[in-house]
Amino acid sequence: AQRVTQPEKLLSVFKGAPVELKCNYSYSGSPELFWYVQYSRQRLQLLLRHISRESIKGFTADLNKGETSFHLKKPFAQEEDSAMYYCALRGRGSQGNLIFGKGTKLSVKP
Amino acid sequence: DGGITQSPKYLFRKEGQNVTLSCEQNLNHDAMYWYRQDPGQGLRLIYYSQIVNDFQKGDIAEGYSVSREKKESFPLTVTSAQKNPTAFYLCASSTLMNTEAFFGQGTRLTVV
Repeated sequence: AQRVTQPEKLLSVFKGAPVELKCNYSYSGSPELFWYVQYSRQRLQLLLRHISRESIKGFTADLNKGETSFHLKKPFAQEEDSAMYYCALRGRGSQGNLIFGKGTKLSVKP
Repeated sequence: DGGITQSPKYLFRKEGQNVTLSCEQNLNHDAMYWYRQDPGQGLRLIYYSQIVNDFQKGDIAEGYSVSREKKESFPLTVTSAQKNPTAFYLCASSTLMNTEAFFGQGTRLTVV
């Protein structure tokens, strides 16, 4: 079964501290993984995807097939990073729909 | 101004009534999706469509119906059979390739 698990509902850190939002997935095959972010009063938007291997707003995420994880990391959190973060999976080449985790609310305190 | 538009932003419905949520996109995307967002539940897929006149049920399709008569439009009807319709509804669209999905601003439906 295809499943995305985000174990933390809420993650609270201080400004300047490192951040890691956990994401584990279950999928038999080669999935494509995404992180979406929803800032207050804004629409849900793509933050980054694993195939791009890019860093967006200081965030990076590495796909670990052995651990079936796609954790989102940032070395120094900023207050403007406070938002809801969703990990999502799509089967590669399947043209299938996006499957989302339940989300983690990141709160960065001053 | 390209994008995906949901309307209305807020919708109130009396129990026992059907209500239709609008979703329009001018991105020329083939795929469109409806998700329901509840606190602590994340996004759960209701229905999705990859081509005109065809759609598939998602994880929580019971009590909902959709149509896809035009590529740019994918309205969602919340029927009286939906036992707990009060929620935030998100529409999204994407190409058929594995690219990002673009989301609307959402419609908050409240049953009164």
